[in-house]
Amino acid sequence: EDKVVQSPLSLVVHEGDTVTLNCSYEVTNFRSLLWYKQEKKAPTFLFMLTSSGIEKKSGRLSSILDKKELSSILNITATQTGDSAIYLCAVEAVGRGGADGLTFGKGTHLIIQP
Amino acid sequence: KAGVTQTPRYLIKTRGQQVTLSCSPISGHRSVSWYQQTPGQGLQFLFEYFSETQRNKGNFPGRFSGRQFSNSRSEMNVSTLELGDSALYLCASSFEGRGGTEAFFGQGTRLTVV
Repeated sequence: EDKVVQSPLSLVVHEGDTVTLNCSYEVTNFRSLLWYKQEKKAPTFLFMLTSSGIEKKSGRLSSILDKKELSSILNITATQTGDSAIYLCAVEAVGRGGADGLTFGKGTHLIIQP
Repeated sequence: KAGVTQTPRYLIKTRGQQVTLSCSPISGHRSVSWYQQTPGQGLQFLFEYFSETQRNKGNFPGRFSGRQFSNSRSEMNVSTLELGDSALYLCASSFEGRGGTEAFFGQGTRLTVV
């Protein structure tokens, strides 16, 4: 059974700090790893990492995929209170009919204190 | 362009009843996936539809079913509701649902079973 584990489950830091969120996975026929930010209801897409794109950056956020270690990290530098959210890691695997759907980790609840 | 639209946003049902949830994907997207989110289990994959066909299915009982129409809109049905079905139901649309295309989520339908 596919498995995605995120750590830490929760994290409280001060504004301006840098944080690193971790995601490790065990899936058959890995296709891609995705990061989402969930503030209220709808998770919003951050990054997608694949074998051909193992590093992504957007502003203060960046992510790296380590296919050897079967893991990924999400870095947020110079954190702001608006970064407070649950960060979800999901892995897509290849199934018989195509994509298997996304297997999600439980998420990291990040709280940025002013 | 408009995002993923889910209706209704909130629903209260009694045990034993059935419920139908609706999801309108982003224009041009042909893949719609459904997820159940609960505090204990996190986000779990229900099923994925592509071009009116169920392509993949998660580990949920047969009480959970869905369909997709020719305009890519999708409905999810849960019959004989149980208290444990109380959850946030999210749908996600993507262009193909295969590797290399990120999924965009709707705001979800909050279902409460009493």
